[in-house]
Amino acid sequence: DGGITQSPKYLFRKEGQNVTLSCEQNLNHDAMYWYRQDPGQGLRLIYYSQIVNDFQKGDIAEGYSVSREKKESFPLTVTSAQKNPTAFYLCASSPRTGTDTQYFGPGTRLTVL
Amino acid sequence: DAKTTQPPSMDCAEGRAANLPCNHSTISGNEYVYWYRQIHSQGPQYIIHGLKNNETNEMASLIITEDRKSSTLILPHATLRDTAVYYCIVTSIYQTGANNLFFGTGTRLTVIP
Repeated sequence: DGGITQSPKYLFRKEGQNVTLSCEQNLNHDAMYWYRQDPGQGLRLIYYSQIVNDFQKGDIAEGYSVSREKKESFPLTVTSAQKNPTAFYLCASSPRTGTDTQYFGPGTRLTVL
Repeated sequence: DAKTTQPPSMDCAEGRAANLPCNHSTISGNEYVYWYRQIHSQGPQYIIHGLKNNETNEMASLIITEDRKSSTLILPHATLRDTAVYYCIVTSIYQTGANNLFFGTGTRLTVIP
């Protein structure tokens, strides 16, 4: 089955620790995205990547880092510099950026204790 | 910047049509209207999109006014599984950078048995 997978679904970390969230897609999409969602709020763009080895900051990139070494993978690291890391994190992909439809993974709920 | 305005919540009786409105009075000529929905604690699901003509697919219909300043998403026979938050989003053709999709707070649709 083609799609986007995110793991794990729930993640707990202690304050001050870096944590990496996984996102994999087998849709052969060039573009991938990371969003953050807080309770009762919409989605906000953290980072996006149009092609391998390239990525750009979104609205709220501070305290986050990404890499795009493979077309299929776009991991997000939540660093200790992120002041409020507890949130629901969503990964998406699209054939290209611009107006192409984005397809979302199931999300990872991160709780920092 | 929020480009769309949606009512925060709506109810619909099961089996009836659900009509979800969206205002996008500042939409420009090259911008599309996209609709996504998000069931609690899941990733957003693409529903439909359009530029100026009405569109229909297996999930829904999208009616865009002639001046393109507003649109309505129609779920023809709402079921309990359609209970979700529905997002109306405006994006542009030539934008290849960040914010190609801005998710606001959407409309929470509750389908009532």
